[in-house]
Amino acid sequence: DQQVKQNSPSLSVQEGRISILNCDYTNSMFDYFLWYKKYPAEGPTFLISISSIKDKNEDGRFTVFLNKSAKHLSLHIVPSQPGDSAVYFCAASSGGNTDKLIFGTGTRLQVFP
Amino acid sequence: NAGVTQTPKFQVLKTGQSMTLQCAQDMNHEYMSWYRQDPGMGLRLIHYSVGAGITDQGEVPNGYNVSRSTTEDFPLRLLSAAPSQTSVYFCASRRNRQGRDSPLHFGNGTRLTVT
Repeated sequence: DQQVKQNSPSLSVQEGRISILNCDYTNSMFDYFLWYKKYPAEGPTFLISISSIKDKNEDGRFTVFLNKSAKHLSLHIVPSQPGDSAVYFCAASSGGNTDKLIFGTGTRLQVFP
Repeated sequence: NAGVTQTPKFQVLKTGQSMTLQCAQDMNHEYMSWYRQDPGMGLRLIHYSVGAGITDQGEVPNGYNVSRSTTEDFPLRLLSAAPSQTSVYFCASRRNRQGRDSPLHFGNGTRLTVT
């Protein structure tokens, strides 16, 4: 049972435009969300996070939006650059003593010139 | 700092063989974990540890054992390899037991094929 879902396996965006990656979750206990980026033959690297007490967090070209009522979060990249081409994973946790991180299935973003 | 180091990078096993995937971190991180990445399945948590001597199961623990005798090392053992364990394995660590403001740092993965 997939608790964190990324329904779009891939996304193609022109350089300079906005990329919007979406993520849905089913567990209402999740209260902390993260996005990771992964290049081929490398491990994922942390990009940005958001706590459930916020609905938006910004870091440079990257903004994450959280809609708790819809159990939905999105990552906006503006402007998109060719170096952003990678697989993006969203992840969620519910805190507690061990705070396990549950990942989605990933979305492959391709930014073309 | 080397960060999180995984060895080997590639491994081919025959069904029924056993092996250990090594993971070491030099950041004095409290929390360590193992994930596997499969097409269409994303990253799934196998086992994790919140400190030396403490381990627990994740989402897909069957067929794998772990131990944490030191803060630095967290090996993953495949007891009797099966083709279903063909995957890319990632080790990850973070500073704190709690993940808030303490994101996971990943190694570069071990690609395992079981024939």
